Amino acid sequence: GAGVSQSPSNKVTEKGKDVELRCDPISGHTALYWYRQSLGQGLEFLIYFQGNSAPDKSGLPSDRFSAERTGGSVSTLTIQRTQQEDSAVYLCASSLATLTDTQYFGPGTRLTVL
Amino acid sequence: QKEVEQNSGPLSVPEGAIASLNCTYSDRVSQSFFWYRQYSGKSPELIMSIYSNGDKEDGRFTAQLNKASQYVSLLIRDSQPSDSATYLCAYSRGAQKLVFGQGTRLTINP
Repeated sequence: GAGVSQSPSNKVTEKGKDVELRCDPISGHTALYWYRQSLGQGLEFLIYFQGNSAPDKSGLPSDRFSAERTGGSVSTLTIQRTQQEDSAVYLCASSLATLTDTQYFGPGTRLTVL
Repeated sequence: QKEVEQNSGPLSVPEGAIASLNCTYSDRVSQSFFWYRQYSGKSPELIMSIYSNGDKEDGRFTAQLNKASQYVSLLIRDSQPSDSATYLCAYSRGAQKLVFGQGTRLTINP
């Protein structure tokens, strides 16, 4: 079946602009995760959705970051007033139900802020 | 102190040898631990999870967990060039967050 898909695959934007990143999880997966990976770095956990709810938003780097999930499926990560330090690969993953179920990652969105 | 410490490498191992990857963590209440493999330019994929002290084997991979020492390791037997990748250690904090190390870059030399 289809895996996790993300769009766009690449996004170049100017400092100060808003961007929206989309994630389409594996069908039937109730848990969805957003991560950020800067060049040569490990994964930084951003947020986790169980259904449409995000129990813990403390991983979001600043109030410029927000995320939502609708219909228990597609999720959008929005970054307002982008800064150069936001440049990274943004990865989405989904799992069947809980945090400890196997997470399947999407291909990522490479964000470059000029 | 970082929450998860890994030697960034690169770690070079000859083909056919055992590769040993190590990870220490600071959260004493963590219950679930994971090893992910990430090929260059690709997304991570889960290769092992371990929840209790001791060893867990899956094919050529063995994960070892020692909660008292806050230490988890991954052994790869009969290393192959296709094992060359970055290996990320992670643990779950409560039910809502995964904490990752920065990864160890492993190179298997033919």
